[in-house]
Amino acid sequence: GNSVTQMEGPVTLSEEAFLTINCTYTATGYPSLFWYVQYPGEGLQLLLKATKADDKGSNKGFEATYRKETTSFHLEKGSVQVSDSAVYFCALSVTGGFKTIFGAGTRLFVKA
Amino acid sequence: DGGITQSPKYLFRKEGQNVTLSCEQNLNHDAMYWYRQDPGQGLRLIYYSQIVNDFQKGDIAEGYSVSREKKESFPLTVTSAQKNPTAFYLCASRRGGEETQYFGPGTRLLVL
Repeated sequence: GNSVTQMEGPVTLSEEAFLTINCTYTATGYPSLFWYVQYPGEGLQLLLKATKADDKGSNKGFEATYRKETTSFHLEKGSVQVSDSAVYFCALSVTGGFKTIFGAGTRLFVKA
Repeated sequence: DGGITQSPKYLFRKEGQNVTLSCEQNLNHDAMYWYRQDPGQGLRLIYYSQIVNDFQKGDIAEGYSVSREKKESFPLTVTSAQKNPTAFYLCASRRGGEETQYFGPGTRLLVL
């Protein structure tokens, strides 16, 4: 079946540190991959996505590359800010399907 | 502005009571979804609807019911059969042919 596994949190970093949140997936067919972000007390919002192998999604300084050979979609940011503190969800959707499969989420705390 | 609205923001349920959570979207999206989020956990799918007057059970449908009489609206009823309803409930929608989901701000349900 389809599933997403992401690193457990919380992740605590100092401002301007480098961020990596690991995400791996298993899927039948050809999935699209997503990172969603959830700020405290709010719903999720799309951060970035990639629809095919070797695509790189990017937004607000965050990047993730769709690696088919390692079935991974790791999220990176070169210099985090306090405002990046949130929960980050890796997700996949198989083309033609109606469901999105979400990982468990990784909470990020950024200290000033 | 187009988007998804959920109401109320907080909802209190008494023992044995049914309560209904509202979800409305003006994005003209075909598909709508209800998720449950427990503290420190990911999203679990309760119900989803691909078109008006049709809906399917998700992974944790027991104790919940939905209707889809209008394209814009997908209310969720938490029945008295749901013994542990305290959670954050998220509604989402998706345009046909696309895979990105758009989320509402959520409703937090608490039991008195």
